[in-house]
Amino acid sequence: GAVVSQHPSWVICKSGTSVKIECRSLDFQATTMFWYRQFPKQSLMLMATSNEGSKATYEQGVEKDKFLINHASLTLSTLTVTSAHPEDSSFYICSASPLMGGSANEQFFGPGTRLTVL
Amino acid sequence: GIQVEQSPPDLILQEGANSTLRCNFSDSVNNLQWFHQNPWGQLINLFYIPSGTKQNGRLSATTVATERYSLLYISSSQTTDSGVYFCAGINTGTASKLTFGTGTRLQVTL
Repeated sequence: GAVVSQHPSWVICKSGTSVKIECRSLDFQATTMFWYRQFPKQSLMLMATSNEGSKATYEQGVEKDKFLINHASLTLSTLTVTSAHPEDSSFYICSASPLMGGSANEQFFGPGTRLTVL
Repeated sequence: GIQVEQSPPDLILQEGANSTLRCNFSDSVNNLQWFHQNPWGQLINLFYIPSGTKQNGRLSATTVATERYSLLYISSSQTTDSGVYFCAGINTGTASKLTFGTGTRLQVTL
């Protein structure tokens, strides 16, 4: 149980284009999903907290117009990197916290999406 | 401030050896979790351990919340244990936001 998927697993795009990443909780419902960014050989940095049916909460220094988050249902959140540039290249990971069952506040992670912007 | 520190930063073990990874966390952090990030980037939940001791196969973890530290024990290490081990805790009063430590990079050799 507690499986989270991400799609695509990797993407290469040209500078200036937009890229959408999907995060799905496959066997549980999640009112809250989280988006992280990880640079090579570094730890995970929280970008934003996504709540179903409401606006996302962004961490300090994260541009909300650059990283659009939509949490349309209890099992799906999307991150769109708009007008991507080479400095947006990174490993993006989502996580989800089960609505019911499990330990309070425990998060389960997707396999990540590697974005390369040329 | 919010701090989660891990040691050692890097560790090389021969297959079959045992190891202990440490995580120190500040007063504003609780509900500690341990994760293993495999070489493909997937984070795997190892333990959700706010306090006490848990064991799962060759792995066990102990959190002493009053002294603000947690330990992850790996016994009889295997090459598949290689990767990065992260501890992370919830920032109190921040609605379940996790703060990650800097990680311990483990390489298990034959």
